[in-house]
Amino acid sequence: ETGVTQTPRHLVMGMTNKKSLKCEQHLGHNAMYWYKQSAKKPLELMFVYNFKEQTENNSVPSRFSPECPNSSHLFLHLHTLQPEDSALYLCASSQVAGEDTQYFGPGTRLTVL
Amino acid sequence: SQQGEEDPQALSIQEGENATMNCSYKTSINNLQWYRQNSGRGLVHLILIRSNEREKHSGRLRVTLDTSKKSSSLLITASRAADTASYFCATDVWGGSEKLVFGKGTKLTVNP
Repeated sequence: ETGVTQTPRHLVMGMTNKKSLKCEQHLGHNAMYWYKQSAKKPLELMFVYNFKEQTENNSVPSRFSPECPNSSHLFLHLHTLQPEDSALYLCASSQVAGEDTQYFGPGTRLTVL
Repeated sequence: SQQGEEDPQALSIQEGENATMNCSYKTSINNLQWYRQNSGRGLVHLILIRSNEREKHSGRLRVTLDTSKKSSSLLITASRAADTASYFCATDVWGGSEKLVFGKGTKLTVNP
């Protein structure tokens, strides 16, 4: 579909579990993003990485922990989540952070029980 | 408050008709982008219009930008059932941080 892949596509976890979401881009981009999309809410930017450095943390709770080991990979580590964290988590990449066109992955549908 | 807000929130039309969606924003921008999202999937970039452009075309898509009114419109001509999706505008913020701000989107349904 696009050059951005996300795994897993669906995830169900309990509030005490620890899990990780993975994103990989094959486009040679230098910026990667995590977004949260809940029903009837605008797309919420969570984190921005530009050249592996985190440049934006949009007041995200510490139970979400991002990791960007290189420009092609981005992880979102999850622990002690709440039911209200259930949402579609989208990863995106762009050539550089800012006004460039973003390319999105298919998303991970997360359900927290 | 939202940087970009789409209008209407939902639109239902018949196949073959044109669909028009609007986006209003609050601050000066470098560019405005339109994205499409099929249900439960990732967003797909449709078109980017720069602040010094007034109109842009791509296939059946026509985008206009009026910086004096801080608004943009997306027109889809001769709609097809496959155009059924949510459409989002996204704006950067001139002189602002390294991110795009997305609106809540317009949910378009094209009935066969």
